[in-house]
Amino acid sequence: DGGITQSPKYLFRKEGQNVTLSCEQNLNHDAMYWYRQDPGQGLRLIYYSQIVNDFQKGDIAEGYSVSREKKESFPLTVTSAQKNPTAFYLCASKEGSEQFFGPGTRLTVL
Amino acid sequence: AQSVSQHNHHVILSEAASLELGCNYSYGGTVNLFWYVQYPGQHLQLLLKYFSGDPLVKGIKGFEAEFIKSKFSFNLRKPSVQWSDTAEYFCAVNAGNYGGSQGNLIFGKGTKLSVKP
Repeated sequence: DGGITQSPKYLFRKEGQNVTLSCEQNLNHDAMYWYRQDPGQGLRLIYYSQIVNDFQKGDIAEGYSVSREKKESFPLTVTSAQKNPTAFYLCASKEGSEQFFGPGTRLTVL
Repeated sequence: AQSVSQHNHHVILSEAASLELGCNYSYGGTVNLFWYVQYPGQHLQLLLKYFSGDPLVKGIKGFEAEFIKSKFSFNLRKPSVQWSDTAEYFCAVNAGNYGGSQGNLIFGKGTKLSVKP
């Protein structure tokens, strides 16, 4: 069953800690994306990767980092430098012009 | 800067009412247009898309959208809404490499639709 998985669904962390969000896809897509969703803000692009071992900053990359060592995986690290990390994070992969989304991870920083 | 505007933040309708959600974008060239829907607690999923051809596109669950190039618009419509249509709706545009967007999707801020039974 092809798709995008994100884990965990809910994540709680203390302020000042780095945290890594997982995103895995078995759709054999080259391009993958991380978005942040806040109420009334829509989806804002954090980072994207068009191909393995390459990634680019999106509109709101400050305080985040990513890696793309495998085609299937695109983990996102929320660092302590991110001023307002509490949000809903969505991962996506792309085929052609269409993006497919994972179920999201809700991160709460206490 | 490139942008996508959704005019309504929150729309409240009664069942069987007609729906139209506005979406305007600011790109001048060829675009691919999308409407995504996010039901409460569920994935963001594709409702419909326009790439080329007939500007009136049909999507799932009775939704349709019309691309009007002269107005830079891609409004979403449904003749008769149901309680199960309660969700958040996002318009998105892929403008290729126009203006440095590098083929990425640009999303509107979303419209919450609440349908009263």
